[in-house]
Amino acid sequence: QQQVKQSPQSLIVQKGGISIINCAYENTAFDYFPWYQQFPGKGPALLIAIRPDVSEKKEGRFTISFNKSAKQFSLHIMDSQPGDSATYFCAASRPGANNLFFGTGTRLTVIP
Amino acid sequence: EPEVTQTPSHQVTQMGQEVILRCVPISNHLYFYWYRQILGQKVEFLVSFYNNEISEKSEIFDDQFSVERPDGSNFTLKIRSTKLEDSAMYFCASSEQGAQMGQPQHFGDGTRLSIL
Repeated sequence: QQQVKQSPQSLIVQKGGISIINCAYENTAFDYFPWYQQFPGKGPALLIAIRPDVSEKKEGRFTISFNKSAKQFSLHIMDSQPGDSATYFCAASRPGANNLFFGTGTRLTVIP
Repeated sequence: EPEVTQTPSHQVTQMGQEVILRCVPISNHLYFYWYRQILGQKVEFLVSFYNNEISEKSEIFDDQFSVERPDGSNFTLKIRSTKLEDSAMYFCASSEQGAQMGQPQHFGDGTRLSIL
């Protein structure tokens, strides 16, 4: 029950478009859901995170939408830019634990 | 901005040899982690470390693995007898508090371990 499923595996978006990446989880005990951005040759970097007491969190062009009943959350990148081209990972953790369970990653390519 | 630093960036080792991966976490952080990422796959948790002891470990972290904080700044991952399947990118991370407190984990750029 630790699995976090992520889709799509890869995504190509035109510059200025909206990129949407989806994740679903099984463990209802999860209570912290971060998104990480990873550029080639670099470690994952925290982008934005949400807790299940809110349904949406926005930071600049990045928004997390959270649906607790469906056990799903998604990342929306508005006005996508070529510099956003990277691999994005969703993750989750449960109370009392410090480890993150990562999704399988989405390789986003934003074409000019 | 403070960052987690890892050395070496690439380590090539013969199967069966011991390897030590080194990390310098962010100085005021209290929680330390090791993750690994096999090429093209997801990031997997190995172990978390707090107050000089392992707080949590995954099934991957078997008796061949150990962690240590030998001084006030370094955090190491040792693989005692490497196997081919240990080839992966190993990431160190640190956080001020645990994930359940909503504190972000800051990752280093990783050590690519290649077992021959």
